[in-house]
Amino acid sequence: DADVTQTPRNRITKTGKRIMLECSQTKGHDRMYWYRQDPGLGLRLIYYSFDVKDINKGEISDGYSVSRQAQAKFSLSLESAIPNQTALYFCATSEYGTSGTRTVDTQYFGPGTRLTVL
Amino acid sequence: GQSLEQPSEVTAVEGAIVQINCTYQTSGFYGLSWYQQHDGGAPTFLSYNALDGLEETGRFSSFLSRSDSYGYLLLQELQMKDSASYFCAVGRSNDYKLSFGAGTTVTVRA
Repeated sequence: DADVTQTPRNRITKTGKRIMLECSQTKGHDRMYWYRQDPGLGLRLIYYSFDVKDINKGEISDGYSVSRQAQAKFSLSLESAIPNQTALYFCATSEYGTSGTRTVDTQYFGPGTRLTVL
Repeated sequence: GQSLEQPSEVTAVEGAIVQINCTYQTSGFYGLSWYQQHDGGAPTFLSYNALDGLEETGRFSSFLSRSDSYGYLLLQELQMKDSASYFCAVGRSNDYKLSFGAGTTVTVRA
């Protein structure tokens, strides 16, 4: 079974609709992230959460909201979808820690959700 | 602010060696990571450097020079399956999150 799962994998919706993308993980990590990927722009951070009570905006949070329902679940909502939110969305978890003076932050990504807003 | 620069595309033949450079400007730097992404798939972790020097993992190696704000990923004995996008990412201690570069598309030809 995959450690990080996302549902749905594909979604086509219309402008103005509310959409929720869900992410679940079995890795036991506290840190979770939502990224958006557009061609040629790499991965851009939308929101991140370091534990259930912690939610932080990333670089492109406008038009999005999130909910951290449990350590294992982190949902992304588009309150009123618009066409320029058409993109590939990835959820990720992070194994973060220190070993001596060395900080390690390895991220594990879900399979992605391809969202099309018409 | 912060920025990461990496080449957009590299093409090479099977068996060759490819080096993907990454230069960065950021405050609170704690490490440079590399991720691989096949077309339409999830990014997967390849390598990480927190200290200056070379880290080797099989055919892939990664290098970091903190004083030069520079690192590279070296792909040796290229195989067709290495055709993918490769992203460098810097970790920052002021907000403890990663910032990704735009990615380098590597195309391996027979």
